Amino acid sequence: DTAVSQTPKYLVTQMGNDKSIKCEQNLGHDTMYWYKQDSKKFLKIMFSYNNKELIINETVPNRFSPKSPDKAHLNLHINSLELGDSAVYFCASSQGDLGRASGYTFGSGTRLTVV
Amino acid sequence: GNSVTQMEGPVTLSEEAFLTINCTYTATGYPSLFWYVQYPGEGLQLLLKATKADDKGSNKGFEATYRKETTSFHLEKGSVQVSDSAVYFCALTAYGNNRLAFGKGNQVVVIP
Repeated sequence: DTAVSQTPKYLVTQMGNDKSIKCEQNLGHDTMYWYKQDSKKFLKIMFSYNNKELIINETVPNRFSPKSPDKAHLNLHINSLELGDSAVYFCASSQGDLGRASGYTFGSGTRLTVV
Repeated sequence: GNSVTQMEGPVTLSEEAFLTINCTYTATGYPSLFWYVQYPGEGLQLLLKATKADDKGSNKGFEATYRKETTSFHLEKGSVQVSDSAVYFCALTAYGNNRLAFGKGNQVVVIP
């Protein structure tokens, strides 16, 4: 079973559209994250939820809205997509303070291409 | 703030060569340190970690030692294989801040 699964793996869409990326983890972790990886492979945290509560909200356009229906799921909705949103988006999870010492578990990524 | 600095540029080397990727960090308190690897077209996998000074993390022939005096966590492998071609990221989390901060990554290309 995949520990952290994201769907879809690839997403090609036109500018101005609204799209969602879904993430689920079956590790029993209480904290989930969204990271963005740009074309130069740089990874930047976007959001983090702990037990369905938003705890990290970096400087991200408000067109990006995360939603966590339960602690096993963290979805990312993006409104009015722009060319600059093209990137690979990674979901990750960790277990509370243990995550600080044990690291995160990452999904395989969603490659978003805006045309 | 907490940050990680990796050496600039890709690394290209021949099979069975010795690999070193430098990583230094700035952090408040005592961070936990990690190396992640991203194979082509895949997500990030935890390669190794160390949580306190002088700890050595090791996995798949890779090693890194937590050096508090030089604030470094350099990654080494004695004899690389073509299958080690990937992007390697150094990262840290700090006490009271569960945010995993990454370096810029190094593309490693191993030539047969």
